Formats: sequence, C-alpha cells, structure tokens
Amino acid sequence: DAMVIQNPRYQVTQFGKPVTLSCSQTLNHNVMYWYQQKSSQAPKLLFHYYDKDFNNEADTPDNFQSRRPNTSFCFLDIRSPGLGDAAMYLCATSIQGHEQYFGPGTRLTVT
Amino acid sequence: QQQVKQSPQSLIVQKGGISIINCAYENTAFDYFPWYQQFPGKGPALLIAIRPDVSEKKEGRFTISFNKSAKQFSLHIMDSQPGDSATYFCATLNSGYSTLTFGKGTMLLVSP
Repeated sequence: DAMVIQNPRYQVTQFGKPVTLSCSQTLNHNVMYWYQQKSSQAPKLLFHYYDKDFNNEADTPDNFQSRRPNTSFCFLDIRSPGLGDAAMYLCATSIQGHEQYFGPGTRLTVT
Repeated sequence: QQQVKQSPQSLIVQKGGISIINCAYENTAFDYFPWYQQFPGKGPALLIAIRPDVSEKKEGRFTISFNKSAKQFSLHIMDSQPGDSATYFCATLNSGYSTLTFGKGTMLLVSP
C-alpha cells in the first residue's frame, strides 16, 4: 500500500564519507522532489525532477547531487557530508500542478 | 523574502476546542493551497487543500477558509483531539510550476 518509499529510514555516516539515499514511488507521478528538513523548520526544497528534467534550487550546495534513472526511482547523493547536513531528508512526488505526497523520510546522522 | 506567513508559531488548545491557524501569501499567481500535518519523525501528510474558486472546504473536523481578496487562508480544526497534536504547515502552489512554498509551521498541542 506504500506510495512513496524511502530507504533507509535511518542512516549514520561519517564526516566526509559519501552517502546515498533512495526513494521509490508506486504512484507513477512525473515529478519527484528532495527536501531537507531540520528540527522545527519547514521542509527546504533541494531539487526536483520534472520527468527527466532536473531543476536545482539556487541555494542548494554543490555537495548535494541527484539521479533519477527512471520514473519510479530517485536518489540523493551527498558527496562529502558535513555536520550541518544532519537532517531529515524527505522525498515527495506529484503530478505537475497538483498536491505532493511525501515519503516517511530518512533521518541522516553525521558523526 | 518569505512568501507565505504562517501564524501562530505554536498553539495550545484544550480537548474539544477549536484550533485556528492562519496563513497569508503575497503572490497572486498561487492557485492551490494545501495544508500538511506532520508528526514527529514522520513525513508531512496532505491534510486538506483548496483552490481559489471556493471560499471554504470542509473534510470531517478540518475546514479551510479562503479569502482571495485578503490573500489569506486558514485551517480550522473543530473538536480538537490529543491525536491532532502535530506540526501543521500551510503551503501555496502555482499550478503552472511544480514547487510548493511552505509556511514556517505551527506546532499544535491539544491538552487532554
């Protein structure tokens, strides 16, 4: 029944060690998003894909990259995680112009 | 520049009371106004949404009121329950684009 699935739910990585978070969807939505959410803050959009077209937010650090190999999957790569990158990472999907559906999130800890 | 202003930042309501959260926006191009509910450690879940062709939408205990001329919309939770204790985010969307603009959130606590 799950619609937007994120793996892993919890990820611990070392300072500077690359990490990849994954998202998959069963909704066949054409838009997929990655958000970063820190404690007591609203989700902050990092980037999104409209079909295969990649859209990067202007203030997203170069340390964050993304891949969308097909409609169902999207990955977030953090090339050199810093302590400030510890956060909840949320994946969401939508049909263009309609409501977004969020996954349960991946809690990233950087040690 | 914050495009969606949400208030209050936190709210305590007694069980059975009415919770009211307000949002104001600036960009008249926005044409979709969802509210999300988020429990600790979970992703936001779409609660209710409205388009500007109606002034009110009700789903169970949750109602959105929309004032297009004032560029404001609000969430009313009737008969608030302890299980409603969560963070609520308003958001806006220009349906010609794909991205939401979120308010800063309201932390609601419903006391038993």
